[in-house]
Amino acid sequence: AQKVTQAQTEISVVEKEDVTLDCVYETRDTTYYLFWYKQPPSGELVFLIRRNSFDEQNEISGRYSWNFQKSTSSFNFTITASQVVDSAVYFCALSEAGAAGNKLTFGGGTRVLVKP
Amino acid sequence: DTEVTQTPKHLVMGMTNKKSLKCEQHMGHRAMYWYKQKAKKPPELMFVYSYEKLSINESVPSRFSPECPNSSLLNLHLHALQPEDSALYLCASSQAMTVSGNTIYFGEGSWLTVV
Repeated sequence: AQKVTQAQTEISVVEKEDVTLDCVYETRDTTYYLFWYKQPPSGELVFLIRRNSFDEQNEISGRYSWNFQKSTSSFNFTITASQVVDSAVYFCALSEAGAAGNKLTFGGGTRVLVKP
Repeated sequence: DTEVTQTPKHLVMGMTNKKSLKCEQHMGHRAMYWYKQKAKKPPELMFVYSYEKLSINESVPSRFSPECPNSSLLNLHLHALQPEDSALYLCASSQAMTVSGNTIYFGEGSWLTVV
């Protein structure tokens, strides 16, 4: 069965510091998809990135970057030069190609607090 | 801004009340979802509709009754809820349920309190 682990439950940083969120996953499928979502206090889950298992290129989007390593089953997320608006809970999620229903398996989430 | 809109944003209801949560998506998606999220926990899947038909019910109690009037609308009817049902209810949509890996887009959620 698939599993996603986000070992860090809460991270507190001062504005402008970099912060890296860890995500480790388990799956038996060779084809799968990984996601990151941001959930600010308002409640909405905001989609950040989708990556399939065959694309190991790292990605950068503004201050956000993602490091996908199949060898260690990790899909880590870094926020560079953090800002107060980055304060939120971040979820890593996995969807297996063999699973019916386009189901997402979420990690437990990491709460990021950016202090001014 | 999200293209999945949910109403109401906040709802307080008694255990004998009947209420409904509403969701609308404007992306032409054919799969719609209801998730439940308790405090400090990840979202948990409740129901999935595919092409307006109920495809997945994750053993949700019958006091929660979903309805999909058309491909853009999704309702969740609530009746005789318990205080432990208080949670954030998230609606979501994706291009298709049958294809794994499609990005699921979420709404802002409806905060439900049962008193």
